[in-house]
Amino acid sequence: DAGITQSPRYKITETGRQVTLMCHQTWSHSYMFWYRQDLGHGLRLIYYSAAADITDKGEVPDGYVVSRSKTENFPLTLESATRSQTSVYFCASRGGTSGYEQYFGPGTRLTVT
Amino acid sequence: AQSVTQLDSQVPVFEEAPVELRCNYSSSVSVYLFWYVQYPNQGLQLLLKYLSGSTLVESINGFEAEFNKSQTSFHLRKPSVHISDTAEYFCAVQTGTASKLTFGTGTRLQVTL
Repeated sequence: DAGITQSPRYKITETGRQVTLMCHQTWSHSYMFWYRQDLGHGLRLIYYSAAADITDKGEVPDGYVVSRSKTENFPLTLESATRSQTSVYFCASRGGTSGYEQYFGPGTRLTVT
Repeated sequence: AQSVTQLDSQVPVFEEAPVELRCNYSSSVSVYLFWYVQYPNQGLQLLLKYLSGSTLVESINGFEAEFNKSQTSFHLRKPSVHISDTAEYFCAVQTGTASKLTFGTGTRLQVTL
């Protein structure tokens, strides 16, 4: 399917475990982003990538790791999950007619127990 | 640095009534402005954008927003809302030199009969 997909859609994990959230886009957009959404905070940027092998920190990067070996994939890893990382995670890519429009995936709801 | 303020966290309105969702931004340079909509359990969808040109921009479903540079605002309006407009609305800003969007905390529009 064309577009941007995320997996899994729902995940429950225990404190201290490593978990990886996957993001895949089919448009070959250069820029990709990871956000977390929490009540009262809106969307906060975790990491972003301008191209394969180029990543940079966003507003709240602590406790997260990203990689981008291929243009279409941008996985987000929580190295040692904490309860404060319970959130909804959205992946996005940037493109469109202007080149500035962001397209979002459906989200992953992560619960850390 | 850029920032976005959405003054109202919730806006209740009756069906067929007009609505305005307020958005103010701060930036010392030229900006690109966006409104995104999020329906329950879904990702964000682009509603409309201002990049340049006419300060009044419209969406296909009857929403419009006006860029006001002197007041640093980008308020979203609809003259007559429908039940299906119930959703969370996010204002976002990007400066011309930045790679990423900054989101407001969102406004929940609740339309009732």
